[in-house]
Amino acid sequence: QSALTQSASVSGSLGQSITISCTGTSSDVGGYNYVSWYQQHAGKAPKLMIYDVTNRPSGVSNRFSGSRSGNTASLTISGLQAEDEADYYCSSYTSSSHWVFGGGTKLTVL
Amino acid sequence: QVQLVESGGGVVQPGRSLRLSCAASGFTFSSYGMHWVRQAPGKGLEWVAVIWFDGSNKYYADSMKGRFTISRDNSKNTLYLQMSSLTVEDTAVYYCASNKGSYGYHGMDVWGQGTTVTVSS
Repeated sequence: QSALTQSASVSGSLGQSITISCTGTSSDVGGYNYVSWYQQHAGKAPKLMIYDVTNRPSGVSNRFSGSRSGNTASLTISGLQAEDEADYYCSSYTSSSHWVFGGGTKLTVL
Repeated sequence: QVQLVESGGGVVQPGRSLRLSCAASGFTFSSYGMHWVRQAPGKGLEWVAVIWFDGSNKYYADSMKGRFTISRDNSKNTLYLQMSSLTVEDTAVYYCASNKGSYGYHGMDVWGQGTTVTVSS
């Protein structure tokens, strides 16, 4: 199972919005409503930010939102804050009854 | 509070075995699917295995199938990962994570702090 495709890095200024994309296939991202997004600060465990494509766990800021179009899922962060600087990973269930992560995107807040 | 605590990591020689444990507290462990996820130094997250809430189904990443075994003891609120025939490529921080549902489909919403496995001669 190949990893989902994410851009290596993205940057944005304080207060701006950014979008991180995650491209898979119809056998994973496009085929199931089981896409999730994780935030990982350096040296820390990942944190669930979005599950089931668009759902936000309780306690996660509404500045974070998820969407999908075809085989590409997206995470949008609005009103960028300094604490948003982290690595972000997407994940999807696959037709092989496996789970797969994207390669990760490093977000830099300018 | 809701917590997962991994243990069992360490330095092991290539070809040897190691068993990781993940102790759960603060939630009904027996109701949720559980995953193992690993992260090699400086690399991204890699899914390892999942086990359903009742242990009835288990799935493994292709590169680990046949070498790793996931199991759980709901009476002890503990998840395990038995790893054998370890290679240097298995060097990573290993995280356990609980699923938002009984199986594995939804997000991994509670994570442990990770335990480090180093495979080296």
